[in-house]
Amino acid sequence: DAGVIQSPRHEVTEMGQEVTLRCKPISGHNSLFWYRQTMMRGLELLIYFNNNVPIDDSGMPEDRFSAKMPNASFSTLKIQPSEPRDSAVYFCASSLRTVYFGPGTRLTVL
Amino acid sequence: GESVGLHLPTLSVQEGDNSIINCAYSNSASDYFIWYKQESGKGPQFIIDIRSNMDKRQGQRVTVLLNKTVKHLSLQIAATQPGDSAVYFCAEFVNQGGKLIFGQGTELSVKP
Repeated sequence: DAGVIQSPRHEVTEMGQEVTLRCKPISGHNSLFWYRQTMMRGLELLIYFNNNVPIDDSGMPEDRFSAKMPNASFSTLKIQPSEPRDSAVYFCASSLRTVYFGPGTRLTVL
Repeated sequence: GESVGLHLPTLSVQEGDNSIINCAYSNSASDYFIWYKQESGKGPQFIIDIRSNMDKRQGQRVTVLLNKTVKHLSLQIAATQPGDSAVYFCAEFVNQGGKLIFGQGTELSVKP
């Protein structure tokens, strides 16, 4: 099993640009999570889906952030427009019971 | 102004000693807990889990203890090795298994 796959692994963009992060969960898993990790705030849950349906998006910082899960094998997290304070490592995770994390996308917004 | 980062608790142990990492969780309704290990530049890696109907669970070189009375978890690592150096997080499932919330993390440093 390839595990949770995230792309890109690194993204450098300029303030105001749109950023799209992608995730392929482990096959057969029915829950998907997006987390953000920073030195200041640690690991924060942004949103999670169950059976492709968003269940709790209370962690999404503001309207600039949106997430979709069009099918069981793909999810995106979009930031539009991006700001320097969005710089962080973004993790996708999936679960059937135990939660497994992807390698993360390191986002730098200049 | 200058940003202030999280100051992770740090545990420094000698190679071969046992390590105990502690965690306080917040929600008395949480029924499932997981310990993760995160090495630099990588995502959190599952170590061991425990359900709230258990007090103790053992894995290979690791033991998790759960004290629901005081909402406390601990991770014990036997015969700690340099490869165990990492940040360790406890995480709790809230909302009947839907939402996984992470603690602050503890940095374990193993001296050879």
